[in-house]
Amino acid sequence: DSGVTQTPKHLITATGQRVTLRCSPRSGDLSVYWYQQSLDQGLQFLIHYYNGEERAKGNILERFSAQQFPDLHSELNLSSLELGDSALYFCASSVFARGQDGYTFGSGTRLTVV
Amino acid sequence: QKEVEQDPGPLSVPEGAIVSLNCTYSNSAFQYFMWYRQYSRKGPELLMYTYSSGNKEDGRFTAQVDKSSKYISLFIRDSQPSDSATYLCAIPGAGGTSYGKLTFGQGTILTVHP
Repeated sequence: DSGVTQTPKHLITATGQRVTLRCSPRSGDLSVYWYQQSLDQGLQFLIHYYNGEERAKGNILERFSAQQFPDLHSELNLSSLELGDSALYFCASSVFARGQDGYTFGSGTRLTVV
Repeated sequence: QKEVEQDPGPLSVPEGAIVSLNCTYSNSAFQYFMWYRQYSRKGPELLMYTYSSGNKEDGRFTAQVDKSSKYISLFIRDSQPSDSATYLCAIPGAGGTSYGKLTFGQGTILTVHP
C-alpha cells in the first residue's frame, strides 16, 4: 500500500455521462497530481494542486475539472464522457511542489466508457 | 519532438541477463532524472533518481546520465523474473509552474523469462 488512496478502482459508464474520481494523498503530502494513462499516449500529466491551489495544467480537456479540498483530498471530474476517455487515471502525491522529490502513486481508477 | 522519448520495446531476456533501458530528452535545462517501475495493473513506483550527470548504483540497478548527449540509461544486472514490468523514465520540469510536473517516457515493457 503506497499510502495514496484512489476510489473507485473500476468504473464503467456510458458515453455522455459524468463521473468523479477521488484521491486521498499520503499523510503529510500537500501536492496532488492527476495523470491519465492510455496504451497509445502513455502517462499524460493532467493537473497539479498544491495545498488547495492549482499549480499547473497539462493536457486536460475542458470537459475535465479538478479541485483539492481543505483536507487535501482531491477529486477529478470528467463530464460528457467519450469512448476515447477510457483509460487508467492515476493520482500521485508529494510533500512539496517539486517533481524532483518524486511522487507516490495510487493504484489508479480504471475508467471504461461504453 | 517529444520532451522525453523512450523505446517502448517490448524487451524479452533470459534470467540472469544484463538489461539496458534508455531514454533521450530534448531540454538541456533538465537536472533531475528518474526511473519508475510499473507492474501490471498497479501505479508506478519510484525506483531510482539521479541529479545531473554520472552514475548511481543501488543493488542490481545502475542509473546513468549523459547530459552532453541528453541520454539516460537504467541497467539491471542479474535480471530476475520478478523484474518483469514496465520501466518508465521520468524528468521533472525545469522551473516555474512546470516545477512539479513529471514528464514520462512511453515506458519499456520488460519480460525476464526463467
